[in-house]
Amino acid sequence: AQTVTQSQPEMSVQEAETVTLSCTYDTSESDYYLFWYKQPPSRQMILVIRQEAYKQQNATENRFSVNFQKAAKSFSLKISDSQLGDAAMYFCAYRSATITGTASKLTFGTGTRLQVTL
Amino acid sequence: GAGVSQSPSNKVTEKGKDVELRCDPISGHTALYWYRQSLGQGLEFLIYFQGNSAPDKSGLPSDRFSAERTGGSVSTLTIQRTQQEDSAVYLCASSQRTSSYNEQFFGPGTRLTVL
Repeated sequence: AQTVTQSQPEMSVQEAETVTLSCTYDTSESDYYLFWYKQPPSRQMILVIRQEAYKQQNATENRFSVNFQKAAKSFSLKISDSQLGDAAMYFCAYRSATITGTASKLTFGTGTRLQVTL
Repeated sequence: GAGVSQSPSNKVTEKGKDVELRCDPISGHTALYWYRQSLGQGLEFLIYFQGNSAPDKSGLPSDRFSAERTGGSVSTLTIQRTQQEDSAVYLCASSQRTSSYNEQFFGPGTRLTVL
């Protein structure tokens, strides 16, 4: 079974600064997807960024980028130029590349609460 | 609407009562998932529906939990004889199985409080 670990329950960053959220995972599969989701107080889970394991290039979406280290099973999220609207819970998630059956479910870490201060 | 919707938004019930939570997936999405988010925890998979296939119930924590999906669309999660440990946010997600990486779109969840 796959597991996802987020060891930082809370993080804080000043507006306009950069912050990195950590995530490690454990799997015996070679092909999979990794995701970062944002959950604001509204509870709506919003996909921030995804990474395909077969791609060596790190994914980037505007101010959000990842550092994917497949051998180390590490998948960190970097938020640049932090904004007040970035304050939320951030969840790292894993999904098998197989899309059939329960293999398509997402396995989540316990989350990191990000505070953004002025 | 364009997104996944869930009702009710919040539900308060007494221990021992039954509750029903509803999920309306995005039109055309064949896959539907239920997850549970307990306080301080990540999301825990509960059950998965794909088209007309039998659901995968491997994540349901006890036989007090059940779910159905009518007509391949709306899904209802039922919790019988609720216990205080059932208090959590219940999130529903849907996806298009044929999409390249099967992105799951989430609803806003139902916060269940069992007194």
